[in-house]
Amino acid sequence: KAGVTQTPRYLIKTRGQQVTLSCSPISGHRSVSWYQQTPGQGLQFLFEYFSETQRNKGNFPGRFSGRQFSNSRSEMNVSTLELGDSALYLCASSLVPNTEAFFGQGTRLTVV
Amino acid sequence: KNEVEQSPQNLTAQEGEFITINCSYSVGISALHWLQQHPGGGIVSLFMLSSGKKKHGRLIATINIQEKHSSLHITASHPRDSAVYICAVRGGSNYKLTFGKGTLLTVNP
Repeated sequence: KAGVTQTPRYLIKTRGQQVTLSCSPISGHRSVSWYQQTPGQGLQFLFEYFSETQRNKGNFPGRFSGRQFSNSRSEMNVSTLELGDSALYLCASSLVPNTEAFFGQGTRLTVV
Repeated sequence: KNEVEQSPQNLTAQEGEFITINCSYSVGISALHWLQQHPGGGIVSLFMLSSGKKKHGRLIATINIQEKHSSLHITASHPRDSAVYICAVRGGSNYKLTFGKGTLLTVNP
């Protein structure tokens, strides 16, 4: 069974641009969560989706947004990129919320 | 103060040693996760606990709900165990995951 797939794996963007990251969950999983990991702040929760609805949102500015499609695939978008948005963005899927989560390899975003 | 505290931050061991990593949290939780992250970023979920103890191979995780404390033990450590181990709790009012800062484990041959 395929694991959680995140694309792209690496991305370089310029300040002010926007970026869209994609996450395909494990087949049958309907819950997808997104996390940001930086050396200074560690892992931080961004948002969680279940059945195309956002269930929870972390303490991030409105420039960070996401959505989930009917096939459970999820995308997150960051607009007006700042240097501080450089991070590893991780996606995790689970069957339903509050069950064991399986992580993707992450997308490493560098903002220059 | 971080809601999830891990200790130690760094740990160096010799191959074969018994390893213990601790996690304390300050909120009521529905579950606690232990995660492993190797260089390069990929995260593997090792355990999800809500009570008691779980064992998988050389790894053992325990949780004491009353004391708000969990431990991850590695028996007969091996250099391939070298990684960052992260404790995360799911709790509070919205059940989001809150992470500890991680413990960097280095096992020397």
